[in-house]
Amino acid sequence: RKEVEQDPGPFNVPEGATVAFNCTYSNSASQSFFWYRQDCRKEPKLLMSVYSSGNEDGRFTAQLNRASQYISLLIRDSKLSDSATYLCVVDTGRRALTFGSGTRLQVQP
Amino acid sequence: NAGVTQTPKFRVLKTGQSMTLLCAQDMNHEYMYWYRQDPGMGLRLIHYSVGEGTTAKGEVPDGYNVSRLKKQNFLLGLESAAPSQTSVYFCASSPGTVPDTQYFGPGTRLTVL
Repeated sequence: RKEVEQDPGPFNVPEGATVAFNCTYSNSASQSFFWYRQDCRKEPKLLMSVYSSGNEDGRFTAQLNRASQYISLLIRDSKLSDSATYLCVVDTGRRALTFGSGTRLQVQP
Repeated sequence: NAGVTQTPKFRVLKTGQSMTLLCAQDMNHEYMYWYRQDPGMGLRLIHYSVGEGTTAKGEVPDGYNVSRLKKQNFLLGLESAAPSQTSVYFCASSPGTVPDTQYFGPGTRLTVL
């Protein structure tokens, strides 16, 4: 079983739609959780950290469910510029991070 | 403030050749990492360092060596390149705090023929 699992997509949504991605992780000792965004042929960039109480940054909302070991990302009012691959990232407890393979989002006009 | 830089950006090698990839960061970060990214595989950790003079193996260390002689630099070496090492290589650095956010360089696209 992979340490971090994501649906690869692609998720094709129209502009203005709300879309949600989930990610599951296997290490129950993980303490830090993130969503990164990666544009085609570019480096990953931090989108947001994920906190136990859930957190919001503009149109983006992240949730953590420790009991079920999953993380979610909700994007409201999708923009064309949101088209990218979204990487779920979890710490390994060994001073390193494990990256999911990513979920591809394509927002269409 | 350049962040994390990588050289070279592109390289083509023949099987058996050697090369060194250089990563530099100007954020005074303690931790540095080397990843490779292959289609459908996500990022996989090759080696990492938690401070100057230290290195540790990641998930896929075979065929690679690293050195961290200066805090701001982290070198990745391929002693005898193989076609299986064709990939995009990303370097990252982080302050070592909790939560520990990693900042990535632009990547090196390596092709081994």
